[in-house]
Amino acid sequence: LAKTTQPISMDSYEGQEVNITCSHNNIATNDYITWYQQFPSQGPRFIIQGYKTKVTNEVASLFIPADRKSSTLSLPRVSLSDTAVYYCLVGLTGGFKTIFGAGTRLFVKA
Amino acid sequence: SQTIHQWPATLVQPVGSPLSLECTVEGTSNPNLYWYRQAAGRGLQLLFYSVGIGQISSEVPQNLSASRPQDRQFILSSKKLLLSDSGFYLCAWSRLGPKTNTGELFFGEGSRLTVL
Repeated sequence: LAKTTQPISMDSYEGQEVNITCSHNNIATNDYITWYQQFPSQGPRFIIQGYKTKVTNEVASLFIPADRKSSTLSLPRVSLSDTAVYYCLVGLTGGFKTIFGAGTRLFVKA
Repeated sequence: SQTIHQWPATLVQPVGSPLSLECTVEGTSNPNLYWYRQAAGRGLQLLFYSVGIGQISSEVPQNLSASRPQDRQFILSSKKLLLSDSGFYLCAWSRLGPKTNTGELFFGEGSRLTVL
């Protein structure tokens, strides 16, 4: 499974766009990139998944360059409730063992 | 719709006592099932995963064990708890098969275990 590297923490203010970048230099051809969000004392929640270029849903956008060695999760106009830990995962869709890294702790301030 | 439940939500146990955490999935069949543990302020550590009844794979050597007696039931156990077993335990499921899976994991509410 490809190893991922993301910033330990980030701060932002309400209304700003937040971009969290994840490095995955050893990503394999069949690997997908998936992001999860976790609030304290809750299980992680799926945010978005992509393979290449750009994916957008009602919550976030995911930008993946052509070499796929990194990806950027973009959260538009964050609010206080977006304060959470965000995990970047790389692997086969439905991979039998999904490994979570340390994640990025995002703190949104008023 | 699919749901996942795990219990108990909170547990305080003395060192050396046994443990049993249970997880049940509803609304789907043949799911992949997982147990994760999260220590305070840390990321998630995969403990066990299962692709079918009686099929358990362990990721980390420890004094914990897992069993899958039924298709949608996953149990985490220990015969003698250690202080280091304290943490937030999460059960999760995903659809079976790498070619049919969206890659999404669905997590339960979690069980917070404190070993004293």
